Amino acid sequence: NAGVTQTPKFQVLKTGQSMTLQCAQDMNHNSMYWYRQDPGMGLRLIYYSASEGTTDKGEVPNGYNVSRLNKREFSLRLESAAPSQTSVYFCAIPGGPDFTGELFFGEGSRLTVL
Amino acid sequence: EDQVTQSPEALRLQEGESSSLNCSYTVSGLRGLFWYRQDPGKGPEFLFTLYSAGEEKEKERLKATLTKKESFLHITAPKPEDSATYLCAVRRSGGSNYKLTFGKGTLLTVNP
Repeated sequence: NAGVTQTPKFQVLKTGQSMTLQCAQDMNHNSMYWYRQDPGMGLRLIYYSASEGTTDKGEVPNGYNVSRLNKREFSLRLESAAPSQTSVYFCAIPGGPDFTGELFFGEGSRLTVL
Repeated sequence: EDQVTQSPEALRLQEGESSSLNCSYTVSGLRGLFWYRQDPGKGPEFLFTLYSAGEEKEKERLKATLTKKESFLHITAPKPEDSATYLCAVRRSGGSNYKLTFGKGTLLTVNP
C-alpha cells in the first residue's frame, strides 16, 4: 500500500525473544497508529502517536513499547515476546491531514511467537 | 464501552445476487461510522464515512446507509471481485480523539 511501508512482512520468534516492527510513511502526516488483528477479534489499537515525539496508549498496550523518533517513522517493539502476541500488526496513518476516522493501512506484519 | 457487532459472520452469494451486510453499534455520541474492505493478506481499505442517521454513500455496487442504531452495506449485483472481508468501525465524540472501535467483520464470497 503506497504511503505506508511496514517491515518485516513475516517474522517467527521464540517466547522471550525481542524484536521491533518498523513503519515508515511518506505522506507527511502528524499522526501514526499501530493496530493488531486477531482471528475472531476486531482490529485493536495498541499505541498511537499524535505528532512527532509524542506517543499514547491505545486499547491493548501491555507488552509493547513504541518510538516516534521523527515524523516519518513509528516503531513497535516487543521486549519479551509471548505466544499471545502472535498476530497481524498493521501500521496506519490518517487518510487526510487530520484524523477523521479514515485510515490508510500498511500491508501488515505477520508475527508468530512459538 | 463502545460496541460494534457485524452480521452475518460470513455470506456466500452468487454473482448478481444482491444482499446486505449489517453493522449494529452502541456508542455514546457517534462521531462517524466507517466501512472498510479487507482483501486476504492485505491491510483494510477505506470505503465510506457516515456521520448522521439518514445519510447514504455509494461507490460502484456498494451503498452504505445509517440509522441511529445500525448501518447497512448494500451490495447490488455483486461480482466475484467484491469478495473480501468488510469491516465496520465507529468513532465516538469526546474521549480519545484517535480511537476507532472495529467490528469483527463479514467475510463475503461471491461465486461466479
